[in-house]
Amino acid sequence: DIVMTQSPDSLAVSLGERATINCKSSQNILYSSNNKNYLVWYQQKPGQPPKLLIYWASTRGSGVPDRFSGSGSGTDFTLTISSLQAEDVAVYYCQQYYTTPFTFGPGTKVHIK
Amino acid sequence: EVQLLESGGGLVQPGGSLRLSCAASGFTFNRYAMTWVRQAPGKGLEWVSTFGDTGGSTYYADSVKGRFTISRDNSKNTLYLQMNSLRVEDTAVYYCAKATLGTNTPADCWGQGTLVTVSS
Repeated sequence: DIVMTQSPDSLAVSLGERATINCKSSQNILYSSNNKNYLVWYQQKPGQPPKLLIYWASTRGSGVPDRFSGSGSGTDFTLTISSLQAEDVAVYYCQQYYTTPFTFGPGTKVHIK
Repeated sequence: EVQLLESGGGLVQPGGSLRLSCAASGFTFNRYAMTWVRQAPGKGLEWVSTFGDTGGSTYYADSVKGRFTISRDNSKNTLYLQMNSLRVEDTAVYYCAKATLGTNTPADCWGQGTLVTVSS
C-alpha cells in the first residue's frame, strides 16, 4: 500500500500570511504515460464533508479561490494558501488515487495565530 | 446540481449488519465511479470502497474486505454498501462520494454522511 504522510500535524498562521502543508507518498504517484500526478487535496471544516481543492496535484477545483495552489511531483507535494483567510480554518488532507487502496494522509489542522 | 444523500446508518451490535444507501441526482449516475469513505469520531479520512466506472469492478480496503460489499443500481441512481460482521472499529461517519470520472480520479462531490455506531 502507498503510505501518505503530511507535515506539519498542525499549523498556526496569522491572517493574511502564507500557509504551507507538505504531503509525501511512499511510492511514486506520477503516471508516466500521461505525466499526471494522482494526488488530490481536500479541505474539511468541522461538521462538514470534505471539499475538493486541488487535483492532479496542481489543478484547482471548480470555484476554489486562487489563493490555494498545489505543487510537486513524484513523491513530494505541497499545498499553499497564499494569504490565509478566517474561512480557511480547517483540516487539510492529501490523498493518492494512483492505485487502490486510495490512501489519505493523516491531515493537517490549520488555525489562526 | 449534484446531490448525494446517504441513509441507513444507525446503532448496531457487534457482529450485526447494516446496508447504507446513497441516492444520487443531478448527474448521469452510470457514467461515474462511486466511492465510500469513512471517518471515525475525531479521526481522519479512510477510503473504504470504490465501484468503478467500467465492467463492474469493485475495490476494497483490507480492513473491510470480505465483510463489506459495494453495489449500485443504475436504474435507481443509488449506491449501496452492505456491511456484515460489523466491529466496534467500524464506527464512523460514512460518506458517499462521486468520482470526477473513472476509477482513478478524485472525488469531486460528497454527501453529508451517515453515522454508523457499532456497540453493545
